Amino acid sequence: DAKTTQPNSMESNEEEPVHLPCNHSTISGTDYIHWYRQLPSQGPEYVIHGLTSNVNNRMASLAIAEDRKSSTLILHRATLRDAAVYYCILRDLKGGSEKLVFGKGTKLTVNP
Amino acid sequence: GAGVSQSPSNKVTEKGKDVELRCDPISGHTALYWYRQSLGQGLEFLIYFQGNSAPDKSGLPSDRFSAERTGGSVSTLTIQRTQQEDSAVYLCASSWSKGNQPQHFGDGTRLSIL
Repeated sequence: DAKTTQPNSMESNEEEPVHLPCNHSTISGTDYIHWYRQLPSQGPEYVIHGLTSNVNNRMASLAIAEDRKSSTLILHRATLRDAAVYYCILRDLKGGSEKLVFGKGTKLTVNP
Repeated sequence: GAGVSQSPSNKVTEKGKDVELRCDPISGHTALYWYRQSLGQGLEFLIYFQGNSAPDKSGLPSDRFSAERTGGSVSTLTIQRTQQEDSAVYLCASSWSKGNQPQHFGDGTRLSIL
């Protein structure tokens, strides 16, 4: 599985935008970029995914670099409830493996 | 709405005992996954079921671990002769069929081996 690199931790203030970076320099053409987050004492929660184009949904936006070697998860207005560990994961479905391979993620702290 | 349900939420048992952990996936989801999360190891894949296909057992750490999925719905993860290193949170997820479908996770079973 292709590897991703994320900062160990980030801080933000409530109601400000948050940009969570992810590097994936060895990404292949068939890898989708997925983001999940895990709130304390809960299972991971799907956030968003994309292949080449930027994506928006009700939770967040995903900005993908033109060369696809990096991406950024954008939370437009952070709330205290967004404090979680955010995981950037590459999924290559071509190989038939459906599992998610989690790294250490980025722990986001949101200050009131 | 009904999400993925896992039971029990907490389990404490003595070393050497067998344990069974249960997962009720979201109705209609044909894919089911087990992961575990321990302090030193992060989140790791254990096993994957898809419809009637043979399960992907590549993540099971030893032959003490097994899982079954009856009737394409409920799944049970069994750990025999538990060891202290089995202490972890065991997470179940389900998704629609194959492909890029998001996985929906339960809140896990916290297993503590004394």
